[in-house]
Amino acid sequence: SQQGEEDPQALSIQEGENATMNCSYKTSINNLQWYRQNSGRGLVHLILIRSNEREKHSGRLRVTLDTSKKSSSLLITASRAADTASYFCATQNTGNQFYFGTGTSLTVIP
Amino acid sequence: GAVVSQHPSRVICKSGTSVKIECRSLDFQATTMFWYRQFPKQSLMLMATSNEGSKATYEQGVEKDKFLINHASLTLSTLTVTSAHPEDSSFYICSANGGSHTGELFFGEGSRLTVL
Repeated sequence: SQQGEEDPQALSIQEGENATMNCSYKTSINNLQWYRQNSGRGLVHLILIRSNEREKHSGRLRVTLDTSKKSSSLLITASRAADTASYFCATQNTGNQFYFGTGTSLTVIP
Repeated sequence: GAVVSQHPSRVICKSGTSVKIECRSLDFQATTMFWYRQFPKQSLMLMATSNEGSKATYEQGVEKDKFLINHASLTLSTLTVTSAHPEDSSFYICSANGGSHTGELFFGEGSRLTVL
């Protein structure tokens, strides 16, 4: 399986705190992306980082990528209750296929 | 962003029947669409990659005769679950990009299949 691994599986924090989740993958990639999923819904794209990039910011999101370790992290700063969702990393390989990580379920307590 | 429409959102069927799920790209042409399956509280498992005008590429362990995929136009891909059984009950999600190797995926809202 080319599915990636994410940790933690579940994360519960207080509103205002930062949330960090990690992703590890197995193959060579063109890029790595992070998605968010609210329960029972489709996924929404958050941020994309290319294989030649090391860090990227978008609003309250910060993503890092270490291709030597085949890992990435997503940091959500100043979390809000509305950030409660599942977060998935996805890698796009050279064959234009996308494989998702196991996901992190984030709960932000108001 | 681009819009992908998936229909139906929910379907309940009897064991042994077939169910078709449609995935449409509404405002862009999708040369490639992807079909995923998701079990409760689990990740998305790639089932197959659907390319317009050619046969779908199935992931290992996915039965191509069980899950028929057709991508007859640049805006429509269909997944047919044939002779459905209760173990096929799941959340099926389609996604598309424009064929770019650096692009994001746009997702449908998913179809929840329940087989009785």
